[in-house]
Amino acid sequence: GQSLEQPSEVTAVEGAIVQINCTYQTSGFYGLSWYQQHDGGAPTFLSYNALDGLEETGRFSSFLSRSDSYGYLLLQELQMKDSASYFCAVRGLLRDDKIIFGKGTRLHILP
Amino acid sequence: GAVVSQHPSRVICKSGTSVKIECRSLDFQATTMFWYRQFPKKSLMLMATSNEGSKATYEQGVEKDKFLINHASLTLSTLTVTSAHPEDSSFYICSARPSGSFSGELFFGEGSRLTVL
Repeated sequence: GQSLEQPSEVTAVEGAIVQINCTYQTSGFYGLSWYQQHDGGAPTFLSYNALDGLEETGRFSSFLSRSDSYGYLLLQELQMKDSASYFCAVRGLLRDDKIIFGKGTRLHILP
Repeated sequence: GAVVSQHPSRVICKSGTSVKIECRSLDFQATTMFWYRQFPKKSLMLMATSNEGSKATYEQGVEKDKFLINHASLTLSTLTVTSAHPEDSSFYICSARPSGSFSGELFFGEGSRLTVL
């Protein structure tokens, strides 16, 4: 089976940097994704790591360590619009395998 | 980017009736689509994997006869909630991955909020 753990809530200040961690347990692993979801909206894709290391996309970066079954999402220069829920998601070993989501981290940003 | 359209966005129905939700990939083909259910401030719970031309694969605990999934073409999957009950009220979201894609990126529909009276 597959399970993911991430903090339920994180609070940070506008303009600061925040890191959201995710650990996972899977029977097979293909990659780790991150999604953002605002209240009432659909999830939107942020990043994907299939290999160890850091992937940078603008203010957002994502890191993966396959040996540690661990990844994180790093948000820099936080803006109020970044207030949302962030989900890590694991894709199984098979190319067309399902994607399982973590429980989500609610990010609160203070002015 | 790729667009997934989900319809209807909101639906209210009476107990005992059936409701059909459509999920369409507008500018790409999707061999596989996924249906999720989400409760307020909770995670996305995978209900089933919809495969074009074959039967859907349901997650443990999800009733196949209650949540009927049909993937009739490479751009359309439907979820029918049969004999709806108030506890079926929830936010249902579909997602699709372009055929042949190697990434973990899913494109999500806008979601359908179902309220069963």
